[in-house]
Amino acid sequence: DTEVTQTPKHLVMGMTNKKSLKCEQHMGHRAMYWYKQKAKKPPELMFVYSYEKLSINESVPSRFSPECPNSSLLNLHLHALQPEDSALYLCASSQEGAWTEAFFGQGTRLTVV
Amino acid sequence: EDQVTQSPEALRLQEGESSSLNCSYTVSGLRGLFWYRQDPGKGPEFLFTLYSAGEEKEKERLKATLTKKESFLHITAPKPEDSATYLCAVPRFSSGTYKYIFGTGTRLKVLA
Repeated sequence: DTEVTQTPKHLVMGMTNKKSLKCEQHMGHRAMYWYKQKAKKPPELMFVYSYEKLSINESVPSRFSPECPNSSLLNLHLHALQPEDSALYLCASSQEGAWTEAFFGQGTRLTVV
Repeated sequence: EDQVTQSPEALRLQEGESSSLNCSYTVSGLRGLFWYRQDPGKGPEFLFTLYSAGEEKEKERLKATLTKKESFLHITAPKPEDSATYLCAVPRFSSGTYKYIFGTGTRLKVLA
């Protein structure tokens, strides 16, 4: 089983809302990732949890906040987003670090109005 | 600077017309190269991992190969359902952890 499950599949939120994206994997992977993808662009790394230690892409605004409750779960908390944050948000996991292949979820299509 | 470049950016093929996609990289100490397929609005689907020059992997109509500077994804007798964006990625060590560097992708359209 190489499944990474993301919820919700679609999300529309206002700029003053607070929402969370959720991701789950049961493959025993020790690294989990959040990516942002705009149309016709490759995925752009936002956050990495490797053995439950967070590594941050310093260009990510503080309105995005990751959380890793345990090695199987990953959340992305959203607050005071801007319309330009509208994108496909992808969760991925890999058995070890990025020297092993990553498996992606189907993504959450986020629209900020 | 570590870079991953894919070519062509877009490719249109007739059904049955074989071709190759290229992924060139400038990463010191390569620790693997990964190929993914992505359909519109969905997450990338893992295809292959290649670790050393000369290695080849096959799956149905796809065959991935690796040299010291580039990788090729060969598509033999493609079908319309092979239409997708194909991405390659390599790991890079930065800020205390490994991260994937993705190429910009090749958008493949196979016409019936």
